[in-house]
Amino acid sequence: DGGITQSPKYLFRKEGQNVTLSCEQNLNHDAMYWYRQDPGQGLRLIYYSQIVNDFQKGDIAEGYSVSREKKESFPLTVTSAQKNPTAFYLCASSPQGVRNYEQYFGPGTRLTVT
Amino acid sequence: AQTVTQSQPEMSVQEAETVTLSCTYDTSESNYYLFWYKQPPSRQMILVIRQEAYKQQNATENRFSVNFQKAAKSFSLKISDSQLGDTAMYFCAFMNGNAGNMLTFGGGTRLMVKP
Repeated sequence: DGGITQSPKYLFRKEGQNVTLSCEQNLNHDAMYWYRQDPGQGLRLIYYSQIVNDFQKGDIAEGYSVSREKKESFPLTVTSAQKNPTAFYLCASSPQGVRNYEQYFGPGTRLTVT
Repeated sequence: AQTVTQSQPEMSVQEAETVTLSCTYDTSESNYYLFWYKQPPSRQMILVIRQEAYKQQNATENRFSVNFQKAAKSFSLKISDSQLGDTAMYFCAFMNGNAGNMLTFGGGTRLMVKP
């Protein structure tokens, strides 16, 4: 089955530790995205990548880093510099092209930092 | 920068009735797309319906339809014959067709369908 997987579903870390969230897709999509969702709020864009080995900052990139070494993988690292890392993180992907723009979402990872 | 506003934080509707969720957006772009996403308690984001700005005809998907008023920058979602499974958060989203296909989301409307 084609889709997007995020692991783990729940993640717990101590303050001051870096943590990496996994996102893998087998949809052969060029573009991938990371969003953050806080309770009762909409999604905000952290980083996005339109092609392998290239990525751009979104609206709230501070304290986060990403890599895109493979088309199917777009891991997100939450660094100790992120002041409020506890949140729900969603990964998405989409094909590129004029008529291909729908974003497909993974199931999300709930990160709790104490 | 684009902004998306959903003015109704919470709504409720009786099963089998019709409900309309509001969304307004602000942009100077001419090439864009609008979406409604549903997020049930599982938190999986599910695309409900999409509208291309260049199309005048309102999009329809089964019980879901939109009222796209381009001049007013309004994009409301109508759910007909509401079902218990429609209970979820609903997010309106904007995509600038000229800027990498990123989505800008509204704050969401929590919809409760009552039996």
